[in-house]
Amino acid sequence: KQEVTQIPAALSVPEGENLVLNCSFTDSAIYNLQWFRQDPGKGLTSLLLIQSSQREQTSGRLNASLDKSSGRSTLYIAASQPGDSATYLCAVTLMAGKLIFGQGTTLQVKP
Amino acid sequence: DGGITQSPKYLFRKEGQNVTLSCEQNLNHDAMYWYRQDPGQGLRLIYYSQIVNDFQKGDIAEGYSVSREKKESFPLTVTSAQKNPTAFYLCASSIARPSAGELFFGEGSRLTVL
Repeated sequence: KQEVTQIPAALSVPEGENLVLNCSFTDSAIYNLQWFRQDPGKGLTSLLLIQSSQREQTSGRLNASLDKSSGRSTLYIAASQPGDSATYLCAVTLMAGKLIFGQGTTLQVKP
Repeated sequence: DGGITQSPKYLFRKEGQNVTLSCEQNLNHDAMYWYRQDPGQGLRLIYYSQIVNDFQKGDIAEGYSVSREKKESFPLTVTSAQKNPTAFYLCASSIARPSAGELFFGEGSRLTVL
């Protein structure tokens, strides 16, 4: 059974710091992995999608990597800003088409 | 603008009542999904649909029903049989399922049972 784990559950950093969020999954047979952002009381916004054949994707200050063999993905946020404060979720798409979500990391960036 | 619209944003229900949550998308996506989000439990799949007039149960379908009469619309009914319906409900869509593309979400509907 595929399990997706995100550690830590919460993270607080000062503004300007570079940080890494972690996502691990137990079954490497995945279609892709997505990182999402969720603000309180809102829906999820897709940040980056990494196909199983890719190693990383970049968008602005965000960089996501994927290592299928070790079952790990990281989301790197450069020069963090207070506006980056949100919950970040990762999700893997299984070969059968089902998506499995992690429980998220809640990030607080202090001014 | 293209996107997914969920309504209502907030809904209160008395025990024993059925309620229907609306989800409309203008992204021309074939696949649509309903998720439930509870604190500390992540997102759980209720139902999904790959094509009009077809839908499949997800992990927690008991007490819920859906229809897919139009490509743009995928309403979710929370029936009185759902024992713990208070939650945040999220609708999503994608190009196809199995999804090789991004999943797009609506803003969510928060249901509270009084």
